[in-house]
Amino acid sequence: DTGVSQDPRHKITKRGQNVTFRCDPISEHNRLYWYRQTLGQGPEFLTYFQNEAQLEKSRLLSDRFSAERPKGSFSTLEIQRTEQGDSAMYLCASRGSGRINGYTFGSGTRLTVV
Amino acid sequence: TQLLEQSPQFLSIQEGENLTVYCNSSSVFSSLQWYRQEPGEGPVLLVTVVTGGEVKKLKRLTFQFGDARKDSSLHITAAQPGDTGLYLCAGAPNTGNQFYFGTGTSLTVIP
Repeated sequence: DTGVSQDPRHKITKRGQNVTFRCDPISEHNRLYWYRQTLGQGPEFLTYFQNEAQLEKSRLLSDRFSAERPKGSFSTLEIQRTEQGDSAMYLCASRGSGRINGYTFGSGTRLTVV
Repeated sequence: TQLLEQSPQFLSIQEGENLTVYCNSSSVFSSLQWYRQEPGEGPVLLVTVVTGGEVKKLKRLTFQFGDARKDSSLHITAAQPGDTGLYLCAGAPNTGNQFYFGTGTSLTVIP
């Protein structure tokens, strides 16, 4: 297992376009998280999946954002009608069962909306 | 809104110096973690502390969880250029499944 993989690493898009990011977690981790991070700040929680069920969503996740984890393995995060304020690093993390287990993060997808 | 405030926000020190980073909140956490993040990469877990008053050591790094489980500190002894990075604390509330991250401390160690 090579850890958490995210694709693409970088994405530049024009305002108003739709973008989709993919995350492949560690295979034995049933919990998957999406975070957003802007420069110099800590990651902000977006959403959480346990297996294929989306159990928590932040108020940051507007109706332009949607996330799926159809088979409880990989996940996708889609942003529709992108805005310049969506420019950020989007981080995916997975975590095994147990309350104190830490996250394993991917390298992130850097989104720039121009 | 950040539940966890870190200080200082930026820190630039000479190689060999000692430093302490603080992570404070008005909320109680069931556990707290520290991560280190390099530019263009995701955060990497350093340690998890669970018990109030707990102290953990990882080579030159010493982590402490406050007695009331509301705050934590990270102390680095004899800093090295390889310690450069963004240090993040993350707390797990008593309910919920996610960790909330602090505002981060950007450390630069000058050779």
